[in-house]
Amino acid sequence: DTEVTQTPKHLVMGMTNKKSLKCEQHMGHRAMYWYKQKAKKPPELMFVYSYEKLSINESVPSRFSPECPNSSLLNLHLHALQPEDSALYLCASSQVTGEGYTFGSGTRLTVV
Amino acid sequence: RKEVEQDPGPFNVPEGATVAFNCTYSNSASQSFFWYRQDCRKEPKLLMSVYSSGNEDGRFTAQLNRASQYISLLIRDSKLSDSATYLCVTGSGYSTLTFGKGTMLLVSP
Repeated sequence: DTEVTQTPKHLVMGMTNKKSLKCEQHMGHRAMYWYKQKAKKPPELMFVYSYEKLSINESVPSRFSPECPNSSLLNLHLHALQPEDSALYLCASSQVTGEGYTFGSGTRLTVV
Repeated sequence: RKEVEQDPGPFNVPEGATVAFNCTYSNSASQSFFWYRQDCRKEPKLLMSVYSSGNEDGRFTAQLNRASQYISLLIRDSKLSDSATYLCVTGSGYSTLTFGKGTMLLVSP
């Protein structure tokens, strides 16, 4: 299995909703990442988990809360988002940090 | 500031043409280099890693010049399916990857 699986593929949520994005990989990768990508921009790093511990938080607002339940799973909990948070949210994994990533297909989030 | 700079394009080329993209990076500690391809509204996909000696994968050739901190990607015999945005990416040791803003390629019939 050489894939990173993200669910859901599309999500529309109101500003008062709580939702979660899920990411799963079974490649034995020990580094997992959340990225945010707006149209015509490169991916922006949000969080890095290395060996299931949060190693990097790029000053992301607290309305985004990551969780790594085990070495194969990565969640992103969303609460009280703003319309400007609408974007493609990408999960990625790599054997170790700094190596080439495998990206999931992303969750396209719209906040209304 | 660690940056990767690319010409955003778009590069408009006919089928069968050869096209080259360039990228410069500012972090001299960069140790790993990649080209990713991203189709519209899709996730980035690893196209190829870039090695110091240069490397080739079919119609794609990547070159690295560490002294000039410059990376290139050459695509020969362009296909319509090559139309995409090409992201230049660097990594330094155990830190995360740094993405360029991408170069858009449009191949026309």
